[in-house]
Amino acid sequence: AQSVTQPDIHITVSEGASLELRCNYSYGATPYLFWYVQSPGQGLQLLLKYFSGDTLVQGIKGFEAEFKRSQSSFNLRKPSVHWSDAAEYFCAVGDYQTGANNLFFGTGTRLTVIP
Amino acid sequence: DTAVSQTPKYLVTQMGNDKSIKCEQNLGHDTMYWYKQDSKKFLKIMFSYNNKELIINETVPNRFSPKSPDKAHLNLHINSLELGDSAVYFCASSQDSSGSGTQYFGPGTRLLVL
Repeated sequence: AQSVTQPDIHITVSEGASLELRCNYSYGATPYLFWYVQSPGQGLQLLLKYFSGDTLVQGIKGFEAEFKRSQSSFNLRKPSVHWSDAAEYFCAVGDYQTGANNLFFGTGTRLTVIP
Repeated sequence: DTAVSQTPKYLVTQMGNDKSIKCEQNLGHDTMYWYKQDSKKFLKIMFSYNNKELIINETVPNRFSPKSPDKAHLNLHINSLELGDSAVYFCASSQDSSGSGTQYFGPGTRLLVL
């Protein structure tokens, strides 16, 4: 069965510091992987996605993620965090095998940015 | 223009009532979804609709029923509301159900059952 694990519930970083948010998945085939961001009181916005090809994926707002099949991971990175990056981050795997494009989400990582 | 919109944004109601949440997308997408986000921010798929056909119905109570009057709308009806239904409900849409399509989310409807 598909599942997504985000081991870090809450991360605090200083503005300008680098960031890595961890994501591990379980899926019976080649996964479709996504990172979404949710700002307080807002809906979800797609940061980036991986389907195939280059395992290093570039997204919006300076984010990137690397797919590592051997580790079943899809970690999100940013070299220099801005205060506006404070939000909730969700990793998700797309379940396309059932004929529906359902997303299964991890429990999220809350990012706090300190000046 | 808002791509995926939901109304109302906030909904406060009493136990036992029946309520509806509306969702509209102007992206011309074929597939729409409803997700529930609980108090711990966990997001779970409830329904997905493709061309007015229910593709998958996760294990949600039959008090919840999606209604799609046309391809651009997927409304969520909830009967006999319970305290545990309090959550944020998100509507989303994608071009198709192939799995590679990006899902675009609405702003959410915050439901509080008293």
